Amino acid sequence: EAGVTQSPTHLIKTRGQQATLRCSPISGHTSVYWYQQALGLGLQFLLWYDEGEERNRGNFPPRFSGRQFPNYSSELNVNALELEDSALYLCASSYPSPGELFFGEGSRLTVL
Amino acid sequence: GQQVMQIPQYQHVQEGEDFTTYCNSSTTLSNIQWYKQRPGGHPVFLIQLVKSGEVKKQKRLTFQFGEAKKNSSLHITATQTTDVGTYFCAGPSGGTSYGKLTFGQGTILTVHP
Repeated sequence: EAGVTQSPTHLIKTRGQQATLRCSPISGHTSVYWYQQALGLGLQFLLWYDEGEERNRGNFPPRFSGRQFPNYSSELNVNALELEDSALYLCASSYPSPGELFFGEGSRLTVL
Repeated sequence: GQQVMQIPQYQHVQEGEDFTTYCNSSTTLSNIQWYKQRPGGHPVFLIQLVKSGEVKKQKRLTFQFGEAKKNSSLHITATQTTDVGTYFCAGPSGGTSYGKLTFGQGTILTVHP
């Protein structure tokens, strides 16, 4: 069974640009979570999607947005990139009731 | 909002020594989860504790959930080099923050052979 897949693995952007990160959950999982892992700051909760709806949002500015598609895959968009957005962005999936999270390998975003 | 704190932030041990990391939540938790992230890897689920005072063992790893369901610990007996990584605890937020899993900042374990 395929795990959570994320793309791209690495992404390099410059300040002010937009970044789009993609995530495919494990088959049968309807919930997708996005976390930001900046160096030395642990995992910061970004967004939770379930059944195509945004269910919860962390303390991030509106330029962090996303969506979940009918096939439960998800996209994270970061607009007007800033240097401090450089981080590993982790996607996780689970069954509808929050339990064990299955993480993907992450997308490493570098903003120059 | 809910805060989850972990100590210590770093721990260096000699192979064969024991290791413990502690997790404290500012709010009572319905459950607590533990994850391990190897260097360069992604977090991997280890265990979930639900009951007050619960103790679970996985080989050399012992997990405890406090009586008040606000703290937890992970103890590794006789560490091995394969135990290297960052150990995170995580607790769900309730109420309107349902579905949000708040992670502690993690304990980075280094094992010297």
